[in-house]
Amino acid sequence: DQQVKQNSPSLSVQEGRISILNCDYTNSMFDYFLWYKKYPAEGPTFLISISSIKDKNEDGRFTVFLNKSAKHLSLHIVPSQPGDSAVYFCAAGGGTYKYIFGTGTRLKVLA
Amino acid sequence: KAGVTQTPRYLIKTRGQQVTLSCSPISGHRSVSWYQQTPGQGLQFLFEYFSETQRNKGNFPGRFSGRQFSNSRSEMNVSTLELGDSALYLCASRSHPEGQETQYFGPGTRLLVL
Repeated sequence: DQQVKQNSPSLSVQEGRISILNCDYTNSMFDYFLWYKKYPAEGPTFLISISSIKDKNEDGRFTVFLNKSAKHLSLHIVPSQPGDSAVYFCAAGGGTYKYIFGTGTRLKVLA
Repeated sequence: KAGVTQTPRYLIKTRGQQVTLSCSPISGHRSVSWYQQTPGQGLQFLFEYFSETQRNKGNFPGRFSGRQFSNSRSEMNVSTLELGDSALYLCASRSHPEGQETQYFGPGTRLLVL
């Protein structure tokens, strides 16, 4: 049973436009969420996180939104740049729970 | 501060052999987690260690084992390798396994089983 789902395996966006990556989870006990970016042959790099007490967290071009009632979070990248092309993973956890990762979304930003 | 380091970076083994992978966490981090990444499967959690004790375990067979040393360095061992064990093995560290602690990943060890 996949507790964290990223239903879009891939996404293509034009440079300068907004990229929206989505993530759904099933366990209401999760209270901390993270987004990672991964380039080929490298480990995932931490991007941004959000606690369940917030519904939005912003860091530069990256904003994460959390909708607890819908058990849904999204990552917005504005404006998208070619260097943002990578695989993005969301992860859910917190407390004594291990982090559960989604299967990733491959973002391609077209120049 | 140095990041998470993993050795070796690449490894080729044959079926039936065993392998040991090593992970050194960020200085001061006492929790180390291991993940397996295969195409289409995301990051599958293997286990997490804290203070030399396994705190969490994923749904992997007993061929996958690990340990943590007093300096927080961790090793992961896979015995009787199978072709399906070919994957990128990632190690991540955080200060401790409770609370809202962000994990930081190493570069991974790419294992190929022939």
